[in-house]
Amino acid sequence: GQSLEQPSEVTAVEGAIVQINCTYQTSGFYGLSWYQQHDGGAPTFLSYNALDGLEETGRFSSFLSRSDSYGYLLLQELQMKDSASYFCAVRGASGNTPLVFGKGTRLSVIA
Amino acid sequence: DSGVTQTPKHLITATGQRVTLRCSPRSGDLSVYWYQQSLDQGLQFLIQYYNGEERAKGNILERFSAQQFPDLHSELNLSSLELGDSALYFCASSVDPNSGTEAFFGQGTRLTVV
Repeated sequence: GQSLEQPSEVTAVEGAIVQINCTYQTSGFYGLSWYQQHDGGAPTFLSYNALDGLEETGRFSSFLSRSDSYGYLLLQELQMKDSASYFCAVRGASGNTPLVFGKGTRLSVIA
Repeated sequence: DSGVTQTPKHLITATGQRVTLRCSPRSGDLSVYWYQQSLDQGLQFLIQYYNGEERAKGNILERFSAQQFPDLHSELNLSSLELGDSALYFCASSVDPNSGTEAFFGQGTRLTVV
């Protein structure tokens, strides 16, 4: 099966940088994804890492270390609108493994 | 707009009843996933279909069932409803079930069991 661990809550100051960590266990591995969900909204895709290293998309970056079964999402120049829940998700490599999500990290950006 | 349509947006029903949630995936997406999200909880994977066939199953209760039709829309049937079934139910779709990349989520159906 697949399981993911991420912190339940993080608080950071507007304009700062925050890192949300995710460790995972999966039989086989197809990649680590990150999703953002605002209260009452639908999850939306942020980034995906299939290979080790850093992927950058604007203010957001995501990192993966497959040997450590670990990844993180880095949010820079935090804005109030970044207050949301962030989920890491993983898919195993065998044919019938679903996209499984962690429990999510609630990010609160304060002034 | 993700392109994934879920209906209804809200549903209030009594315990013991049965409801059907509907999902139309993005045009061209063959894979549909259903997730349950309870208050302050993560996204619990229920079931996945690909091109009409069940592909993967999560911790879906026996009272719940789903199917994907030839036109690729999917329905999630919840029966003998209990108070604890109150949750947001999301449908997501992707092009390739074996892709680790983007899944597109609908806006969800908020089910309230009273």
